[in-house]
Amino acid sequence: GNSVTQMEGPVTLSEEAFLTINCTYTATGYPSLFWYVQYPGEGLQLLLKATKADDKGSNKGFEATYRKETTSFHLEKGSVQVSDSAVYFCALSQGAQKLVFGQGTRLTINP
Amino acid sequence: SAVISQKPSRDICQRGTSLTIQCQVDSQVTMMFWYRQQPGQSLTLIATANQGSEATYESGFVIDKFPISRPNLTFSTLTVSNMSPEDSSIYLCSVGSVQANTEAFFGQGTRLTVV
Repeated sequence: GNSVTQMEGPVTLSEEAFLTINCTYTATGYPSLFWYVQYPGEGLQLLLKATKADDKGSNKGFEATYRKETTSFHLEKGSVQVSDSAVYFCALSQGAQKLVFGQGTRLTINP
Repeated sequence: SAVISQKPSRDICQRGTSLTIQCQVDSQVTMMFWYRQQPGQSLTLIATANQGSEATYESGFVIDKFPISRPNLTFSTLTVSNMSPEDSSIYLCSVGSVQANTEAFFGQGTRLTVV
């Protein structure tokens, strides 16, 4: 079946550091890939998405590129801020908006 | 986009009782989804709620424990029955657009604690 594996957390960085959260997936066919973010005390929000190979999703300084050859969708940001502290979930879907989530990575940014 | 309202936002319940969670969407949607997020863990799909038919449950989830209603295209309920402390989780409602492989939207979730 489909599955998503995320870099284990928690991850703690200093402000302005470079961030990478690894995500790899297993799926048949061509899934869509997503990064969702859950800020403390809030619901799940879409951060970015990519629907086909080589697509790059970007939002709020975050980027991720759909790499079919390595079945990966790593999340990156060049300079993190304290306000980026949250839990990040990588997910995939194959139609019907049913999502398969990774285990989540808790990110803490220290000033 | 879709705006999803879930009620209650949180509750503390006695073991052996049941709780019904409501999900209201501001537009008509074909499919609604219910997820569970156990403490410190990821989200797991419980079931897909289709209007006018029985819900489709994922492996490990059964209708007797998590009965779902879907009376119209903007509303669904999930009941957590005969609760035990292991049911303490955040339960989330989700909807998507009619177009495949597009964004799913989530409610704020219901934080359930069973004591």
